[in-house]
Amino acid sequence: EAQVTQNPRYLITVTGKKLTVTCSQNMNHEYMSWYRQDPGLGLRQIYYSMNVEVTDKGDVPEGYKVSRKEKRNFPLILESPSPNQTSLYFCASSLQQGWAGSEQFFGPGTRLTVL
Amino acid sequence: GENVEQHPSTLSVQEGDSAVIKCTYSDSASNYFPWYKQELGKRPQLIIDIRSNVGEKKDQRIAVTLNKTAKHFSLHITETQPEDSAVYFCAAIAPFMGGGADGLTFGKGTHLIIQP
Repeated sequence: EAQVTQNPRYLITVTGKKLTVTCSQNMNHEYMSWYRQDPGLGLRQIYYSMNVEVTDKGDVPEGYKVSRKEKRNFPLILESPSPNQTSLYFCASSLQQGWAGSEQFFGPGTRLTVL
Repeated sequence: GENVEQHPSTLSVQEGDSAVIKCTYSDSASNYFPWYKQELGKRPQLIIDIRSNVGEKKDQRIAVTLNKTAKHFSLHITETQPEDSAVYFCAAIAPFMGGGADGLTFGKGTHLIIQP
């Protein structure tokens, strides 16, 4: 089954404790991205990757890191989480992006709470 | 960068009536306009999209219209049903220019409520 998976689905942590949210897709998509969803603010892009070893900042990258060592995986890293990073996070992948635009397939989401 | 405004933030309609959600965008170079539906507790899923070389697209009860001159596009849902209750997001994408956000920008969402 074609899908995007994220782990963990729920996470409660404390300020300053490094964490990683994994994202994996099995559709051989080149493009992957991370969004955070907050009430009243919609979906805001954190980072995206056009292909392996190619990543770039989205609209709200501060406090986050990503890596793309393999085509299928795109982990999101919070080196020192703070309470303002409490949010619902979605990973997404698509066949292509840039000028062409194509459907983004979203993962199930990770609800993160930073105390 | 691109800015997408979406209205209204909440829309309540009677079952069977039509619903219209409107979005405006700022970058005239934007050329792809998808709409996503997010049911409560679930992930966003694409329901329809339109490209800049097309003025209208329909898929059963759902249609999207695009006015490039005015830089706005709309989602139309006819004969609404209870399962249409959800949050709907519009988005716009401009050609990738390299560096910074890649041009895919979402609106803030519309909570559509279908009243029985």
